[in-house]
Amino acid sequence: AQKITQTQPGMFVQEKEAVTLDCTYDTSDPSYGLFWYKQPSSGEMIFLIYQGSYDQQNATEGRYSLNFQKARKSANLVISASQLGDSAMYFCAMREGRAAGNKLTFGGGTRVLVKP
Amino acid sequence: GAVVSQHPSRVICKSGTSVKIECRSLDFQATTMFWYRQFPKKSLMLMATSNEGSKATYEQGVEKDKFLINHASLTLSTLTVTSAHPEDSSFYICSARDRGTYSNQPQHFGDGTRLSIL
Repeated sequence: AQKITQTQPGMFVQEKEAVTLDCTYDTSDPSYGLFWYKQPSSGEMIFLIYQGSYDQQNATEGRYSLNFQKARKSANLVISASQLGDSAMYFCAMREGRAAGNKLTFGGGTRVLVKP
Repeated sequence: GAVVSQHPSRVICKSGTSVKIECRSLDFQATTMFWYRQFPKKSLMLMATSNEGSKATYEQGVEKDKFLINHASLTLSTLTVTSAHPEDSSFYICSARDRGTYSNQPQHFGDGTRLSIL
C-alpha cells in the first residue's frame, strides 16, 4: 500500500484564488511528521510547511496552511491568494517515528499551474 | 538558514564513465544525509541513507556496487555512479538535516544534479 497518496496529478488555478492540494497517508506509528515541499521547474526542493502528529492546531506559514484531519489521515495543503510564482510541483512527504534522522517518503506530487 | 550545496549541477558524459556527485552542508553538521533519484515528472525515490562514519543504508532494489556512497565527514557525502550507462540518466538530489535540531525541522535539499549518459 502507498504510504503517501496525492490523487491530483495536475491542477489549474486562477491567480489570486485559493487552491487545495490533497494528501492522504498511511502509518501505524503514532508519532510522525508531515511535510510539504514545492519543486519549481528548476528542480530545487523548497520546504513549505510541517505538521506533527501530536500538534493540536493546523500549521500555517504565510499563504500556506495545512488542513490536518488525523482521523481521516489527511494533510491537505491550502495555498491562498495564488500567485504566478506558485506554479510548480508540490510534494507531500511523511517521516515516521520520533528520530530526527528518519527518512522521508514522498507522494507522487501534484503539478499546479496558476493562470493569470 | 541551512544551506546544502550539491555539485555538479549538470553532468553529461559517455557510457562507462564513473561520475561523482558531492553534497555539502555549508553551515551545519549533518550526521545523516539522504540521496534521492527522480525521473521526469515523477516523485523522489529514496536511494540510500548516508551515515557519517559508517556504511550507507540502501533501499530495496538499489545496487550498492553501482551507487557508491561515502560520508566521510559531518558536512560531506558523495554519491558515485560507477560505470554509468544511459539508464542511469536521471535527476539526483541530496538532502541533509541539521543534527542539532528537533524532529519537526525539515530536511534541506541540494539543488540537484542532472546526469545525462550518452
